[in-house]
Amino acid sequence: DTAVSQTPKYLVTQMGNDKSIKCEQNLGHDTMYWYKQDSKKFLKIMFSYNNKELIINETVPNRFSPKSPDKAHLNLHINSLELGDSAVYFCASSQEGRRQGADTEAFFGQGTRLTVV
Amino acid sequence: DAKTTQPTSMDCAEGRAANLPCNHSTISGNEYVYWYRQIHSQGPQYIIHGLKNNETNEMASLIITEDRKSSTLILPHATLRDTAVYYCIVRVPYTDKLIFGTGTRLQVFP
Repeated sequence: DTAVSQTPKYLVTQMGNDKSIKCEQNLGHDTMYWYKQDSKKFLKIMFSYNNKELIINETVPNRFSPKSPDKAHLNLHINSLELGDSAVYFCASSQEGRRQGADTEAFFGQGTRLTVV
Repeated sequence: DAKTTQPTSMDCAEGRAANLPCNHSTISGNEYVYWYRQIHSQGPQYIIHGLKNNETNEMASLIITEDRKSSTLILPHATLRDTAVYYCIVRVPYTDKLIFGTGTRLQVFP
């Protein structure tokens, strides 16, 4: 059973289009994330949600809109795609670690490779 | 910005121990050290974490210096499947944010 699953795995689209990436976790975690890995392999957090509430928003353009219909799902919708949005997007989940000392092992999905042409 | 520095790359012979160093000289007293690895563009995989004491699990051992300014991840018997980029991360307290640096690319050779 896949713990954190993302769809699609590959996404090729034209500039200006709107696209969504879906993420689901079956671990019962209450926190989910989106990370972006650019062409230089640098991994950076974009958003985190805890129990459907936005917790972290790392100065991501508002063309990116995460949506969490329930705590097991965190989808990423991107409007007006640009060439610079090409990257691998990783979804992850963990139990809430905002309490000091709490263990927060994050589980990552296999990634969605987005190519904007 | 990442609060850790790691060598860019390392090699290790299969079957030998791989010792991956990490410097985190500005770490605060309540910040944990986490290690993740990423195998060939798969999703990052958790390895181990610690605060002050040395830790061991089925994957690796984590040795943290007494002043907590550096740590070493030890893979006791490296295999070819351990070839990956290894990230040392200081977790931001009171948040769930993992700030990844550039990591160490470990190449295990036969």
